[in-house]
Amino acid sequence: DAGVIQSPRHEVTEMGQEVTLRCKPISGHDYLFWYRQTMMRGLELLIYFNNNVPIDDSGMPEDRFSAKMPNASFSTLKIQPSEPRDSAVYFCASSWDYGYGYTFGSGTRLTVV
Amino acid sequence: GQQVMQIPQYQHVQEGEDFTTYCNSSTTLSNIQWYKQRPGGHPVFLIQLVKSGEVKKQKRLTFQFGEAKKNSSLHITATQTTDVGTYFCAILGSSNTGKLIFGQGTTLQVKP
Repeated sequence: DAGVIQSPRHEVTEMGQEVTLRCKPISGHDYLFWYRQTMMRGLELLIYFNNNVPIDDSGMPEDRFSAKMPNASFSTLKIQPSEPRDSAVYFCASSWDYGYGYTFGSGTRLTVV
Repeated sequence: GQQVMQIPQYQHVQEGEDFTTYCNSSTTLSNIQWYKQRPGGHPVFLIQLVKSGEVKKQKRLTFQFGEAKKNSSLHITATQTTDVGTYFCAILGSSNTGKLIFGQGTTLQVKP
């Protein structure tokens, strides 16, 4: 298995632009998680899905952030409009069940200028 | 919300010295996980502890879960430069539905 695949690896965008981050979880993993990592706030859970259904989005900072999982093999995290404070590394992770180890993707480093 | 405190935040050691990081919770935990993140990399799952007083070893790494299931430690014996990175503990949120909450991490630097 190729692991959790995220794209793009790096994204530089101007403030106000829409940004879409993509994730392909490991086949057979029923849970998918989106995390954001910054020096100040560490690893924060933004949202997670179970069997493609959003379960907890309480970590989504504001309405500018949205996430979808149209099928078991694909998820997106969208920021519209983006702001400089959104600059961070965004990780997608998947797991076959809660309470088990997560497999993280390589992350997307987002810079909003 | 549920939190886990991790100390120290940073640790610099000479190669060959031992290293320990600790995680503490005010509530009883169902389990605790440990991850390692190399500089510029992503978190990698190391281990999960479930039982009270559990001790698990992976080569030079020893993981312990406290008797009261409120604390845990990761000990590295005779550090090597390959041990450099940030070590995170993580716990399930109070609802136990899959929400993994990470500690702030301990960043280990090893001087050759």
